[in-house]
Amino acid sequence: NAGVTQTPKFQVLKTGQSMTLQCAQDMNHEYMSWYRQDPGMGLRLIHYSVGAGITDQGEVPNGYNVSRSTTEDFPLRLLSAAPSQTSVYFCASTHGLADSYEQYFGPGTRLTVT
Amino acid sequence: GQNIDQPTEMTATEGAIVQINCTYQTSGFNGLFWYQQHAGEAPTFLSYNVLDGLEEKGRFSSFLSRSKGYSYLLLKELQMKDSASYLCAVRDMIKAAGNKLTFGGGTRVLVKP
Repeated sequence: NAGVTQTPKFQVLKTGQSMTLQCAQDMNHEYMSWYRQDPGMGLRLIHYSVGAGITDQGEVPNGYNVSRSTTEDFPLRLLSAAPSQTSVYFCASTHGLADSYEQYFGPGTRLTVT
Repeated sequence: GQNIDQPTEMTATEGAIVQINCTYQTSGFNGLFWYQQHAGEAPTFLSYNVLDGLEEKGRFSSFLSRSKGYSYLLLKELQMKDSASYLCAVRDMIKAAGNKLTFGGGTRVLVKP
């Protein structure tokens, strides 16, 4: 299993550009999440999904969209990039079983908006 | 909402013990997690507590007191490779929220020879 994969690893955008961060998992996990991590800080939840076709907002959703058309993929779209969105973005997944709790994180995408 | 506090930074000597405290005030609670994160890498799971008490896993132990909103992570026999950030996170009680976690700011631990 590849686990949780994210592309690209690094990205530089100009203010106002849009792009999609890709996230995929091959573990048949129901739950997927997107976090951002700013320097010296913990992770903040952007959006999450409890299954295909179901998404909801986290703590810091503004400026981002998500969709979950398949169990495997959970892309994050930046609609119009702003310098405040410069951050490291992590995608994570968990199985939907009641006694499952460990989140598996992807390697992260380091985004710089100039 | 959730509010999670942990110290910003701690320094310890190789071979020693370090205790990282985490206090939380939450509207719901369904478990507390500790993650380790080396610089430039993704977080990796260390421990999970949902009931009061101590969970031991090798050199790492984690304690939870739900009535006090308090947890700690204990790292024994410190090694240089334990230099990392340690993140405390609380899971939301609502099942519809999936595995929604709220993270503290992280504690950077520096192990010195």
